[in-house]
Amino acid sequence: NAGVTQTPKFRVLKTGQSMTLLCAQDMNHEYMYWYRQDPGMGLRLIHYSVGEGTTAKGEVPDGYNVSRLKKQNFLLGLESAAPSQTSVYFCASSYPGTGGLPEAFFGQGTRLTVV
Amino acid sequence: DAKTTQPNSMESNEEEPVHLPCNHSTISGTDYIHWYRQLPSQGPEYVIHGLTSNVNNRMASLAIAEDRKSSTLILHRATLRDAAVYYCIPRMDSSYKLIFGSGTRLLVRP
Repeated sequence: NAGVTQTPKFRVLKTGQSMTLLCAQDMNHEYMYWYRQDPGMGLRLIHYSVGEGTTAKGEVPDGYNVSRLKKQNFLLGLESAAPSQTSVYFCASSYPGTGGLPEAFFGQGTRLTVV
Repeated sequence: DAKTTQPNSMESNEEEPVHLPCNHSTISGTDYIHWYRQLPSQGPEYVIHGLTSNVNNRMASLAIAEDRKSSTLILHRATLRDAAVYYCIPRMDSSYKLIFGSGTRLLVRP
């Protein structure tokens, strides 16, 4: 069971460079999320998607773009990286449901450093 | 979104019970209370959730106050592997949003 897989696991970027983080899930989940976690802090929601072809802004969307062209993939893009975007990025997925569900499943994270 | 207040950190001895409190006084009637935990260098993982009644699963128990303004996550016998940051998250039924606060860092002493 792969679950939620993030690529790459580590990356160092220079200021102004661009990159795309890939999140893939094999659980047929409708919902997908991107979070960032700065040292000693909780997770903050960047963008999310409630289905293929749809995306929405979270708490801290500035400087990021996302795309959900396929149900199983959710891409996070940094067009012009800044040192303030140095963080650990987590992807998550979940399915719709009631009764207090859905439980979200998280990837192992991508550690990004912008110098 | 309902606000939560959790202690920054707590300590416990191995094999003793741990009670992790969470205050969520602004919770709405349709918010479920979810708990997640994050082990060192890992993504968060689901622990338990509930609405009004106390809940048990293989990982923990969740005790919810009668007025629903607070809840307590109970680890019956802490192990070293339970050392993590625990997040209490009110979440509206069927909501796609999962908003994390700062959580409680649990240290387990051998």
